[in-house]
Amino acid sequence: KAGVTQTPRYLIKTRGQQVTLSCSPISGHRSVSWYQQTPGQGLQFLFEYFSETQRNKGNFPGRFSGRQFSNSRSEMNVSTLELGDSALYLCASSNLYEQYFGPGTRLTVT
Amino acid sequence: DAKTTQPNSMESNEEEPVHLPCNHSTISGTDYIHWYRQLPSQGPEYVIHGLTSNVNNRMASLAIAEDRKSSTLILHRATLRDAAVYYCISLNSGNTPLVFGKGTRLSVIA
Repeated sequence: KAGVTQTPRYLIKTRGQQVTLSCSPISGHRSVSWYQQTPGQGLQFLFEYFSETQRNKGNFPGRFSGRQFSNSRSEMNVSTLELGDSALYLCASSNLYEQYFGPGTRLTVT
Repeated sequence: DAKTTQPNSMESNEEEPVHLPCNHSTISGTDYIHWYRQLPSQGPEYVIHGLTSNVNNRMASLAIAEDRKSSTLILHRATLRDAAVYYCISLNSGNTPLVFGKGTRLSVIA
């Protein structure tokens, strides 16, 4: 069974731009979560989607948004990028108890 | 979800057993204990989870104290590939969101 895939793997953007990251979950998984990982703050939960509905949301500003499609694929968007948004963005899909993480998208904001 | 406390780092010799401790003194009766690990340059990986009884799987064993205020992840024979940051997470309902602490950085010496 294929794992969680994320595209792109690496991205460089300029302050003020926006970015969209994509995540394809494991086949059959309906829940997709997004996390941000930085050296200073560690791994932090952004949001979770289940059956195209946002089910949980972390403590991030409204510039961070996401959505999920009917095939469970998910995207997250960050608008008006700031230098502090530079991070590894991880997507995880889950069955009942376990979350399976993708390799992440490394975003660098200059 | 209860707060968990783990040592910042631990070291082990290759092929020796490793016992990674976790304190979760405020855990409630319905909180599960999950362990994830993150290898260098990869997303987190599910290791094991349990509620009250000790649990075993192909990767590790989880020993849960009788009062559930602490648990220990046991790697029976550490290999160089087990060098990673190990996260102990207490989780109430469902399996999201995962709240990651700083984890324990395990170094394995050949």
